[in-house]
Order: sequence, then C-alpha cells, then structure tokens
Amino acid sequence: GENVEQHPSTLSVQEGDSAVIKCTYSDSASNYFPWYKQELGKRPQLIIDIRSNVGEKKDQRIAVTLNKTAKHFSLHITETQPEDSAVYFCAAFITGNQFYFGTGTSLTVIP
Amino acid sequence: EAGVAQSPRYKIIEKRQSVAFWCNPISGHATLYWYQQILGQGPKLLIQFQNNGVVDDSQLPKDRFSAERLKGVDSTLKIQPAKLEDSAVYLCASSLEVGVREQFFGPGTRLTVL
Repeated sequence: GENVEQHPSTLSVQEGDSAVIKCTYSDSASNYFPWYKQELGKRPQLIIDIRSNVGEKKDQRIAVTLNKTAKHFSLHITETQPEDSAVYFCAAFITGNQFYFGTGTSLTVIP
Repeated sequence: EAGVAQSPRYKIIEKRQSVAFWCNPISGHATLYWYQQILGQGPKLLIQFQNNGVVDDSQLPKDRFSAERLKGVDSTLKIQPAKLEDSAVYLCASSLEVGVREQFFGPGTRLTVL
C-alpha cells in the first residue's frame, strides 16, 4: 500500500515568517493530495488540496506544490500568524482506494 | 449545512469492557469512513462504507472491532473487548461518494482505556 512520510514533526517559527512542511509518498498511482489542519481537540479541516495534474496551487497565504517525479509535495504558509498554530497532516489518495495520512507536523507560531 | 455528528465525545472504560461509537454523516453523503487517530499520529482508516456496503475493512482488527451501517446513513463502531492500545480518537468522516475526494470529519470520540 501507499506510505506517506511527513517532515518535520515539529516546527516553530516567528510570527510573520514562512513555514514549510514536506511530505513524500511511495505509490505513483496517488492522484490527490489534501492538507488538513487540526487544532487541539478539534476535527481535521481541509485547508488546501492539489490534484496530480497540477504543479502548484495557492490560496491567499497558503500554497501547495507537487513534484510527481520525485513523489513529494509541500505546504507553504507565508506571513504566519499565531492562529496558524496547529497540527498539519498531509494525505495521499488513490482513486478507488483510500486516504493515507502522514504523521503530522505540530506548528507553533511565536508572537 | 450540518456537519458530521459523532457521539459520545469522550469515553473512559476499563480494559476488556465493550464500547460503541455513533456517527451521523452529512445528509446525502454516500461514503462513510471510520478512522483511528492515536496521539501524535495521523488518522488510520479502519473501515470505509459506500451506502450500507463495506468498501474496505482491511485494517479493521476484526477479532475485536466491528462496524455497521445498516440503512446506509448512521453508522456504529464497536470494540469488544477493549485493550489499552485502543486508546485513541475515533474519527468519522463522510464524502458524497467514493469517487469524490473531499471528505469532512466529525469532532471525534476520545476513548481512554484504563
């Protein structure tokens, strides 16, 4: 099955700086890559996603890049704010199969 | 639009006891997922339903876990008997159908096994 690895496991940045979280996947059949934000004690919420036919997608301060050849995708958060502090999960999806989640990155934005 | 509902939100039991969780997906969503999220890890799929049929239960420990979605709407997940390592958050999620990728998560049930 698919194997998704996520790095780093913890990340601290100063407010206003950028944060980058990286994930790698093993199965080239994966064709959809969502990112979820999970605040303490709350449900995971989809913040951005990218399909395999796209290399980059932006939504305000959040962007995701995908390198299919290298089988990795990254989440970029610019101008970080304290409310960005949370655990972020990447996932890989294979059509007709299931979602495989990374192990999560705990992001702390220091005011 | 109402979200995915789960109950209870918290449950504490002793090992070898039984426990059941309930999930009500978003109205009209045919696909329902149960995930186990152990502290510090990402969600792991336990079982996936399409309407009232099982699509994937390959990672469900069937000797102690069972799940059903009899009418293709609500679902229950049961653990009998529970072990210490079952302590986790159990997340339910739903999506319109198997081919639709976006899934919506419920608030989860935090299970503590003592």
